Amino acid sequence: KAGVTQTPRYLIKTRGQQVTLSCSPISGHRSVSWYQQTPGQGLQFLFEYFSETQRNKGNFPGRFSGRQFSNSRSEMNVSTLELGDSALYLCASALISNTEAFFGQGTRLTVV
Amino acid sequence: DAKTTQPTSMDCAEGRAANLPCNHSTISGNEYVYWYRQIHSQGPQYIIHGLKNNETNEMASLIITEDRKSSTLILPHATLRDTAVYYCIVRVDEYGNKLVFGAGTILRVKS
Repeated sequence: KAGVTQTPRYLIKTRGQQVTLSCSPISGHRSVSWYQQTPGQGLQFLFEYFSETQRNKGNFPGRFSGRQFSNSRSEMNVSTLELGDSALYLCASALISNTEAFFGQGTRLTVV
Repeated sequence: DAKTTQPTSMDCAEGRAANLPCNHSTISGNEYVYWYRQIHSQGPQYIIHGLKNNETNEMASLIITEDRKSSTLILPHATLRDTAVYYCIVRVDEYGNKLVFGAGTILRVKS
């Protein structure tokens, strides 16, 4: 069974640009969550989607947004990139909304 | 979600059992204890979770005290590949898949 797939694995963007990251969950999983990991703040929850609806949202500015499609694939978007947005962005999928979550390998975003 | 407290780091000899403690003294009756680990630069890996009974799977055992204020993750025969950051998380399952990660414990398995 394929795991959670995140694309791209690495990305370099310039300040002020926007970026879209993609996450394909494990087949049959309907919940997708996003996390940001930085050396200073650790792993922080961004948001969770279940059946195309956002169920939970972390404490991040509105520049961070996401969506989920009918096939459960999810995208997150960061607009007006700042240097501090450089991080490892992780996606996790779960069968339903309250079961163990499985993480992808992440997308390493560098903002220059 | 209840707060957890874990030691910053621990060492373990290869082949020996690694016992990782976690304190969660403010845990509520409907909160589960979850353990994840993260090997350098990879996504966190689910290990095990439990509510009040001890749990065992192919990776580890989870021992939860009777008052549920603390728990211990046991890796029965640690290998060098078990070197990672281990996170103990307490969460209410009804609230979806929001995981609140702390700093975790850096486990170093040494030969």
